[in-house]
Amino acid sequence: DQQVKQNSPSLSVQEGRISILNCDYTNSMFDYFLWYKKYPAEGPTFLISISSIKDKNEDGRFTVFLNKSAKHLSLHIVPSQPGDSAVYFCAASDTGFQKLVFGTGTRLLVSP
Amino acid sequence: DAGITQSPRYKITETGRQVTLMCHQTWSHSYMFWYRQDLGHGLRLIYYSAAADITDKGEVPDGYVVSRSKTENFPLTLESATRSQTSVYFCASSGGDTDTQYFGPGTRLTVL
Repeated sequence: DQQVKQNSPSLSVQEGRISILNCDYTNSMFDYFLWYKKYPAEGPTFLISISSIKDKNEDGRFTVFLNKSAKHLSLHIVPSQPGDSAVYFCAASDTGFQKLVFGTGTRLLVSP
Repeated sequence: DAGITQSPRYKITETGRQVTLMCHQTWSHSYMFWYRQDLGHGLRLIYYSAAADITDKGEVPDGYVVSRSKTENFPLTLESATRSQTSVYFCASSGGDTDTQYFGPGTRLTVL
């Protein structure tokens, strides 16, 4: 049973526009959430995180929103750049645990 | 160089053979992890280790063995490789107060 779901396998946006990547989770014990970016032939790299005590976290062009009641988080990239083209994974964990549960990923393509 | 490395980067083996994938990190992170990435499944945790000589199963441990005699190394062994173990394997490490994990570049394993 997939505890972390990314229902959109792919997303295409134009350069300069907003990219919104979505993630849903089912385990109410999750209280720390992360986004990773992955380029082909490389390992995932950490992008941004949020704990359940917040509903928003920003880092430059990247903002993560958390809606605990809906068990939903989203990653906003504004403005999108061609270099953002990658696979994005959301992940979640319980407090005090290092075990991350990953979603299946969303492939983002930003076209010039 | 500092960071996390994996070897080999590519490996082809035959069914029934024993294969060991190596992982080395230079940060002295206490936690280390092994994941496999498969289409439609995202990243799934195989085994993890909280410290030297402490290991525990993840979501998909069957057919794999790990050891951690030194903090910096976390080898993953497939005792008798099967075709279903064809995958890309990622090692990761983390330390400190966050759940942020840092990934190696991956090993692409093909079992014929």
